[in-house]
Amino acid sequence: GQQVMQIPQYQHVQEGEDFTTYCNSSTTLSNIQWYKQRPGGHPVFLIQLVKSGEVKKQKRLTFQFGEAKKNSSLHITATQTTDVGTYFCAGRWSGGSNYKLTFGKGTLLTVNP
Amino acid sequence: GAGVSQSPSNKVTEKGKDVELRCDPISGHTALYWYRQSLGQGLEFLIYFQGNSAPDKSGLPSDRFSAERTGGSVSTLTIQRTQQEDSAVYLCASSSSRGGTEAFFGQGTRLTVV
Repeated sequence: GQQVMQIPQYQHVQEGEDFTTYCNSSTTLSNIQWYKQRPGGHPVFLIQLVKSGEVKKQKRLTFQFGEAKKNSSLHITATQTTDVGTYFCAGRWSGGSNYKLTFGKGTLLTVNP
Repeated sequence: GAGVSQSPSNKVTEKGKDVELRCDPISGHTALYWYRQSLGQGLEFLIYFQGNSAPDKSGLPSDRFSAERTGGSVSTLTIQRTQQEDSAVYLCASSSSRGGTEAFFGQGTRLTVV
């Protein structure tokens, strides 16, 4: 079945450093979503990207969707301790049950104050 | 309700027993997902319901796992003859349409098989 590969699996940064996580699909995505899961919590939706080359920003977070709609990234500028958690991408492909959300394995971000 | 509700929040069961986990999605949401998350791991897809379509059961790990969705609303995930490797958090999510909206997650059911 369809998969999204997400790297890195873990990232530890000093507070104030930047952070990036990447997702890749071998086939063209219909759209991609990003979620954040705080320790002990459940995933919470951050954003959805639909268009080729799309870039969206939420304060210190920048989300990109590749031109070929096969890859995406989440970049956090100047991390804070509140950014700690696991960041997941979730992809959808066109057609049939491909509409189901398929999650990457996530990137666990820890921030040293 | 205001959000996705799952019950019980915690379940401890003996190996070999059957368990039922319940999910109440957001009213009107046609899509419902079950995922499994082991400690420190990612979200493992189990099953996907969309409206009146046949569910996508491709993620169910064995025939001990089954799920139903009655009347397009409440869903139950049943695990028969539980094994210790079934211990995990089972997350339910719903979304309002087929292809393009966010999924809202419940708080999950933490299942421990002893």
